[in-house]
Order: sequence, then structure tokens, then C-alpha cells
Amino acid sequence: EIVLTQSPATLSLSPGERATLSCRASQSVSSSLGWYQQRPGRAPTLLIFDASKRATGTPARFSGSGSGTDFTLTISSLESEDFAVYYCQQGSNWPLTFGGGTKVEIK
Amino acid sequence: DVQLLESGGGLAQPGGSLRLACAVSGFTFSSNAMRWVRQAPGKGLEWVSTISDSGTNTYYADSVRGRFTISRDNSKNTLYLQMDSLRAEDTAIYYCAKVAGAYYLDYWGQGTLVTVSS
Repeated sequence: EIVLTQSPATLSLSPGERATLSCRASQSVSSSLGWYQQRPGRAPTLLIFDASKRATGTPARFSGSGSGTDFTLTISSLESEDFAVYYCQQGSNWPLTFGGGTKVEIK
Repeated sequence: DVQLLESGGGLAQPGGSLRLACAVSGFTFSSNAMRWVRQAPGKGLEWVSTISDSGTNTYYADSVRGRFTISRDNSKNTLYLQMDSLRAEDTAIYYCAKVAGAYYLDYWGQGTLVTVSS
């Protein structure tokens, strides 16, 4: 099973600041990695797929990068609705796995 | 608009059963694989099961294999999850989701809460 480790667990930032979230895989997943946002009490929504492709409706301030084992989700300038939990997910090997999540909270 | 609406959650006793349903609209259901993902209270996301577009192929997490059964009725645009031999650790919100591409989930339902407790 591929283990995805997300860091940091919590990121405390102010609106307008840049957020950098990391997802590291225990073995290569090539570019088969997605990022999801989950706001409190809501279902997750897809932000990024194939490591760097924005899903329909994802604002341009969100960008994904990386391949192999190291991936990054960057939010260029945080807006109020971006304070949420973010999960990465790999689709390279069964079973499909998610990372443990990074909570982006208001500082 | 794409919509996925889960139902069937509730309270079950350990060893009991529940059947979840996910009614979908707004896309060609029979052309897409579907997935169940769960989230225990205060925890992260866990993949539970996947079914191919035709229903021929099914996949399960080790934690539920042999106890849960995924199925679909393409004539009714509905996905199911039969949950038997329930355990306390199955307590979670269960989401159905549409598979896009090879693996990612582009639409999710709002979730249904399953609580397993005596």
C-alpha cells in the first residue's frame, strides 16, 4: 500500500498570504495524484488532478506541482473561503489511498 | 447539474446490516465508475469500494472485504453499498463519488452518516 504523508498537519496563515502544502508518497505514483478541499461539514471537492491540472471551477490561485514521490499544492494568496482541510490522493496503485490531510487555519 | 444524493444511513447494532443508496443525475451514470469513500468522525478520508461502469468489476478495501458489497442499477441511476457484519469502526460518514479519468473523484454526494453502536 502506498502511504501518503502530508505536511504540515496544520498551517496557520493570514488572508493574502501564500500557502504551501506538501504530499510525499512512500513510492512513486508518477503524476497520478489529486488534491481535494474539504470545508467544515461539507463533502470534499476536487481541486487538482494529475498533479498539476486544475479541475473545472478551481480558481487560478491554486496550483499543483511535482511527480514521483514529492508533490506540492500552492495557494498563491489565501482568501477567506480557502481556510479548510486539504487531502492528497494517489491513483497509481491499488488500494487507492489518501493522505492524512493538512488543515489551513486562520492565524 | 450533476447531483449525487446518498440515503440509508442511520444507527445499526454491531453485527447488523445497512444498505446505502446513491441516486445520481446530471451525467451518464452507465458510463462512469463509481466509488464509496468514508470518513470517521474527526478523521481523514478512506476509500471503501469501487465499481466499474458496467458493474462487472468491483474492488474493496481490506477493512471491508467480505462484509460490504457494492452494486449498481444503471436503469435506475443508482449506486448501492450493502453493509453486513457491521463493526463500531465502520462508524463514519459515507460518501458516494463519481470517478473521472483513471482515479480521481470529480463529484461527491453530501454524505450519509452510519453509526454502529449498541
